[in-house]
Amino acid sequence: GESVGLHLPTLSVQEGDNSIINCAYSNSASDYFIWYKQESGKGPQFIIDIRSNMDKRQGQRVTVLLNKTVKHLSLQIAATQPGDSAVYFCAENMPTGFQKLVFGTGTRLLVSP
Amino acid sequence: DARVTQTPRHKVTEMGQEVTMRCQPILGHNTVFWYRQTMMQGLELLAYFRNRAPLDDSGMPKDRFSAEMPDATLATLKIQPSEPRDSAVYFCASGWEVSGEKLFFGSGTQLSVL
Repeated sequence: GESVGLHLPTLSVQEGDNSIINCAYSNSASDYFIWYKQESGKGPQFIIDIRSNMDKRQGQRVTVLLNKTVKHLSLQIAATQPGDSAVYFCAENMPTGFQKLVFGTGTRLLVSP
Repeated sequence: DARVTQTPRHKVTEMGQEVTMRCQPILGHNTVFWYRQTMMQGLELLAYFRNRAPLDDSGMPKDRFSAEMPDATLATLKIQPSEPRDSAVYFCASGWEVSGEKLFFGSGTQLSVL
């Protein structure tokens, strides 16, 4: 079946660098996307979302970009801090008539001081 | 801060025993989800409730798993009998369907079945 494709790589960056985490999705009908952050021993925490009628959305230090042509989603974190170290998941809302989020496998972000 | 509360945080049990996990969704939310997280499968949707009614439990093994919402402040996920392959972290999440699809997750129940 279709799924969000995010194989679990590890991204290592230095404090202060900008981080970019990528995600490929396969369902062209998905209309809503979310990035979640999961710290060790905790549940996923909402970071930012974007609807399919947009291609960019900015939050505090984070930006999500959506490229529907190639079905690609990215999360940019500016001035990455040690507290940003976590696993990041993208999730897409499957158009099934209710909130059915399909999660990718995650990317681990390691920020060195 | 309003948050989803899950109990217990950790559960160790023996194969064949019944396990009950509880979730208190955020007050006012009308949707509740149960997810299971493992290293191999990632986050899998098990069951979904809207206004306390079960709408989808296709991701749940029917022979041993059951999910209920006795009232708006409590959702339960039961496994009977439990098996070692059920070992995982179980998350509950809640949201407002009207406002969109953003879900708020609890801290999870880490289940180990020996």
